[in-house]
Amino acid sequence: QKEVEQDPGPLSVPEGAIVSLNCTYSNSAFQYFMWYRQYSRKGPELLMYTYSSGNKEDGRFTAQVDKSSKYISLFIRDSQPSDSATYLCAMSYYTGANSKLTFGKGITLSVRP
Amino acid sequence: DSGVTQTPKHLITATGQRVTLRCSPRSGDLSVYWYQQSLDQGLQFLIQYYNGEERAKGNILERFSAQQFPDLHSELNLSSLELGDSALYFCASSVGLGTGDSPLHFGNGTRLTVT
Repeated sequence: QKEVEQDPGPLSVPEGAIVSLNCTYSNSAFQYFMWYRQYSRKGPELLMYTYSSGNKEDGRFTAQVDKSSKYISLFIRDSQPSDSATYLCAMSYYTGANSKLTFGKGITLSVRP
Repeated sequence: DSGVTQTPKHLITATGQRVTLRCSPRSGDLSVYWYQQSLDQGLQFLIQYYNGEERAKGNILERFSAQQFPDLHSELNLSSLELGDSALYFCASSVGLGTGDSPLHFGNGTRLTVT
């Protein structure tokens, strides 16, 4: 079982839809949870960053972490064509002298006008 | 703009050759990370440097090597290139030593094509 699993997609939704992107993980040591957005021909861009369980909201984006279920989600409200991109979840923990960061494989989202 | 600069943007070379990819981190960031991204493998961590010293190694092949210079820029050297090395190579930087409370910021990558 991979440490981080992400729904493979691709996902296509109409403009204005609510989008739910999900990742599950197996390592309970993960403490920090991130979502990156990657546009075509660009590097991943940090979108949301959370620590421990709970919700974090930033504009149309909400990141949700459920550590008891080892499950994280990113919700996009009122989705726009400009949200069309690949979304990668990532999570990390300290190993003592260093830390380990693991990415999901990413899901490609297309928002149709 | 993340502030991380990578050159060149594109590189086309033949099997068996050697190439060098360059990265300048964000101002103030001491850690530099190298990642390889391919369609089937996703983002794979290669190696991390912190303030000039190697800190962590991931799935980096022996044909690959990296270093971080006193001015904090970093270079990734890929030698004896094979077709399977064709991928996007990303550099990222962060302020701190680890990736826990110090998220990574990525450059726009170097697209390597080995023919």
